[in-house]
Amino acid sequence: GAVVSQHPSWVICKSGTSVKIECRSLDFQATTMFWYRQFPKQSLMLMATSNEGSKATYEQGVEKDKFLINHASLTLSTLTVTSAHPEDSSFYICSAAPGLGIYEQYFGPGTRLTVT
Amino acid sequence: GNSVTQMEGPVTLSEEAFLTINCTYTATGYPSLFWYVQYPGEGLQLLLKATKADDKGSNKGFEATYRKETTSFHLEKGSVQVSDSAVYFCALIKAAGNKLTFGGGTRVLVKP
Repeated sequence: GAVVSQHPSWVICKSGTSVKIECRSLDFQATTMFWYRQFPKQSLMLMATSNEGSKATYEQGVEKDKFLINHASLTLSTLTVTSAHPEDSSFYICSAAPGLGIYEQYFGPGTRLTVT
Repeated sequence: GNSVTQMEGPVTLSEEAFLTINCTYTATGYPSLFWYVQYPGEGLQLLLKATKADDKGSNKGFEATYRKETTSFHLEKGSVQVSDSAVYFCALIKAAGNKLTFGGGTRVLVKP
């Protein structure tokens, strides 16, 4: 149980285009989902926290107009990187929290974004 | 604020060696503590957890004990395998649904 999927697993796009990444909790409902960015050989950097049906809360320094997050349902959150640039190339990981007093968060397998 | 500090890697070991990865934390109250493991090119997998002082989390031969007096949650395994090569993250959370606070990660390489 407690499986989180991400799609796509990797994507290459051209500068100036937008890319959407989906995060789904497959066998539980996630009251809260989190989006992280990870640079090579570094820890995870939290970008934003999203709750179903409300606006995401972004961490300091993260451009909310560039990284659009939508948490449309209790099983789906999306991250859209708008007008992507090479510096946006990274490994993006989501996690989902069941809430209801459960402390664990479950992570997706990650999406490798390369902007050319 | 909350913080997690873990030993820097890489840690290189031979198969069947004993592994310890130190983790200490700073937080008010009684956070829940976790160890996550990340294999190359993948997301994070929950390895083990402890939710209160003196709890011992264990999984796949790994163990960690929640020590409130030393604010530590050191990860240990008695006999590592090549398949244990990965990056290990120590993390804490204050309440369900809150964001995790991660340590910097420790890369472990086990050689045959």
